[in-house]
Amino acid sequence: DAGVTQSPTHLIKTRGQHVTLRCSPISGHKSVSWYQQVLGQGPQFIFQYYEKEERGRGNFPDRFSARQFPNYSSELNVNALLLGDSALYLCASSPALRSINEQFFGPGTRLTVL
Amino acid sequence: AQSVTQPDIHITVSEGASLELRCNYSYGATPYLFWYVQSPGQGLQLLLKYFSGDTLVQGIKGFEAEFKRSQSSFNLRKPSVHWSDAAEYFCAVEGGDNDMRFGAGTRLTVKP
Repeated sequence: DAGVTQSPTHLIKTRGQHVTLRCSPISGHKSVSWYQQVLGQGPQFIFQYYEKEERGRGNFPDRFSARQFPNYSSELNVNALLLGDSALYLCASSPALRSINEQFFGPGTRLTVL
Repeated sequence: AQSVTQPDIHITVSEGASLELRCNYSYGATPYLFWYVQSPGQGLQLLLKYFSGDTLVQGIKGFEAEFKRSQSSFNLRKPSVHWSDAAEYFCAVEGGDNDMRFGAGTRLTVKP
């Protein structure tokens, strides 16, 4: 079975641009969470989506947004990119809303902002 | 809110030696506790997790962890380290509210 997939693998943008990252969860998983991992730090929770609705949000500015589609895949959007947005963005899927403890992570998208 | 501290940024052990990675958490009740491993350029892989019950938890790849409520700790151990264990290790805590908090990680180097 396929695990969590993310695209693209790597991305280079310049300050002020917009970026969209994509995530496909494990088949049967309805919840998707997004994390930001800055180099040298642990992942930091950005969003959780379940059944196309936002169910949790971390301490991130409004420049960060996300959505979930009927097939449970998800997009993370970041507007007006800053140098500090350079990070590995991880997507994780889990079976249900209250199942963050069963989540599986994808390989991540490495975003570099120049 | 819950938080996690991993006191050791970098640890070096010889292949075949035992390993203990420290993790301390802050939370008012008994949280869900996790250890993940991340190889370079990879996502996170779950090694083990603790919810309740037996305080000694067995995980994959020969790892185990012990929950000690009195010390607010959840240290990861392995009796004999292999070169393939070299990676970054993250402890995480979740308080049942879907907000998972990670420590800053401990980088493990294995000497031949």
